[in-house]
Formats: sequence, C-alpha cells, structure tokens
Amino acid sequence: SQKIEQNSEALNIQEGKTATLTCNYTNYSPAYLQWYRQDPGRGPVFLLLIRENEKEKRKERLKVTFDTTLKQSLFHITASQPADSATYLCALDDDGGFKTIFGAGTRLFVKA
Amino acid sequence: NAGVTQTPKFRILKIGQSMTLQCTQDMNHNYMYWYRQDPGMGLKLIYYSVGAGITDKGEVPNGYNVSRSTTEDFPLRLELAAPSQTSVYFCASSSSEAGSYEQYFGPGTRLTVT
Repeated sequence: SQKIEQNSEALNIQEGKTATLTCNYTNYSPAYLQWYRQDPGRGPVFLLLIRENEKEKRKERLKVTFDTTLKQSLFHITASQPADSATYLCALDDDGGFKTIFGAGTRLFVKA
Repeated sequence: NAGVTQTPKFRILKIGQSMTLQCTQDMNHNYMYWYRQDPGMGLKLIYYSVGAGITDKGEVPNGYNVSRSTTEDFPLRLELAAPSQTSVYFCASSSSEAGSYEQYFGPGTRLTVT
C-alpha cells in the first residue's frame, strides 16, 4: 500500500526566507498530489493540487514540484511570513481513485 | 456558504456510551468522508460516501457506523465508546466533477473517552 513520508521534525526559518517542505511516497506513482495547510484546532485547508503530468505548479507565494522519478514533491513558500506558521499536509490519491491518503504533516515555524 | 459544519466541537464520553457526530455540507457535494486524526499522525479514513444511500468502509471502520440519507448530511455513530476512539474527528466533502479532487473540511470534533 502507498506510504507517505513527511519530515516529522518541525522546520524553523526566518521571516523572508523560502521554506521548503518535502513529501516522499513509496509505492505507485499517484495521479495527483495535494498540499493542505492545517492550523492548530482547525481542519485542513486545500492549497494546491499537481497532476502526474505536471512538473511544477504555482499560486502566489506557493510553488509545488512533482518528481515521479524521485517519488517526491517539494512545497515551497517564498518570502515566508509568521502567518505562514502551520502544519502542512501532503496527500495523494488512493491508487487513481477519488479517495486521498494523507501524510502526518510537517510543522513550520516562521520567526519574525 | 457555511461549507462543512460539524457538531459538537468537544465531547467527553464514558466507556460504553454511544454518540453521533453530526456533519452537514451546503456545497451539493456527492462525496463525503469521515477521518480521525491522532496526535502526530496523518488523517485516517473511517468511512466515506459517494452519494445519498451509498456508504463504504475506509481504513479504520471498526467501532463506527455511518448513514447518508441526504446529500447534505453524513452522521458518524459510535456505538460502544472505547478509549482507543479518543481522537479528533474531521468530516470532509468533495465534488464528483471529473478532475476535482480537493476536499473541504469541517472544524473537527475533539472526542475524549474515559
């Protein structure tokens, strides 16, 4: 079955720098990959989706890359702000279907 | 649009008690899901539904039941609460339109079983 690996250690960066979060998967190549943001005590909020035939997707200060050879997605936040501090979840399709498998997430702290 | 709403926000149950977690969405989504999230863990799918009258088990269905009598509502029932069911429960919905996979989550229900 598909397994998702996200760095369980928190990422601490200085305001203004670029934050880069990693999502690795172990099995089949997903048809799509999503990134969600989760604030403490709240439900996840969808950020970006990238499909298997796309190498890169951007939305404002966010950028996602998808490397099916490395079985990895990178999530970048440029010009990071303290308000970007949250947990970021990677999610993949469940073998091409509409169901989604979620990673445990990486906590990001942006210091002013 | 209220999106996905869940009630209650918090609940403490004694072992063996029962309760229903309510979930409603107003986006006319066909797909609905129930997840549980334990500390430091990813979301685990409990049950899902592809439309009114149709439900199916997810990864961790034991100890839970669901029903889907309308498009809007997808309640989750715990029949005999156990300490292992202490968790945060999230309901989500998504569109069935081709290529539309993003899920919309409710605010969650924090359940403690003692």
